[in-house]
Amino acid sequence: AQSVSQHNHHVILSEAASLELGCNYSYGGTVNLFWYVQYPGQHLQLLLKYFSGDPLVKGIKGFEAEFIKSKFSFNLRKPSVQWSDTAEYFCAVGRAAAGNKLTFGGGTRVLVKP
Amino acid sequence: DGGITQSPKYLFRKEGQNVTLSCEQNLNHDAMYWYRQDPGQGLRLIYYSQIVNDFQKGDIAEGYSVSREKKESFPLTVTSAQKNPTAFYLCASDRGWLEGSHGYTFGSGTRLTVV
Repeated sequence: AQSVSQHNHHVILSEAASLELGCNYSYGGTVNLFWYVQYPGQHLQLLLKYFSGDPLVKGIKGFEAEFIKSKFSFNLRKPSVQWSDTAEYFCAVGRAAAGNKLTFGGGTRVLVKP
Repeated sequence: DGGITQSPKYLFRKEGQNVTLSCEQNLNHDAMYWYRQDPGQGLRLIYYSQIVNDFQKGDIAEGYSVSREKKESFPLTVTSAQKNPTAFYLCASDRGWLEGSHGYTFGSGTRLTVV
């Protein structure tokens, strides 16, 4: 079955630490890749997206993600987290051939301790 | 401001009753989607619609029904046939496959509790 996997369900770290969240997918062919964030009590927001071109994508709030086609991965990174980065993060994969439906990973809850 | 409105925010229903969740968008998006969010499982696609008067089943459509009579509206009915309806339901929209997606816009969700 085609799927999207996020390796960590929960991550706890201190402010100023670096963050990396893994995302792997099992689709072949051309894909569109997304990271969404859900802050406590808020709706899902788009952090960044990759469609084509430079595989290193920069998003909002200092986040970036790198698409490695050979590894079917799209890992999210932030060099120095803040308490306000506490949220749940979702990786999503879409295929134009599938009508832009997105398949989401299981999510990673990130807790940043002040 | 353009966006997606889901109502109500919280909904309680007795087992065996059908319930309809509202989703309205004023973004002029062609495509609309319903997802269900459960802890540890991410978001799973229930139904989607790429254009008015057309919709397709997603990965977990059993026990749900939808309609798309207007571009702005995509209501979801949770029927009594849905075995585990208690969940957080999210509606989303985007420009659709013809124009190319820039990523979904999500509503704030409806938390349904069946007792």
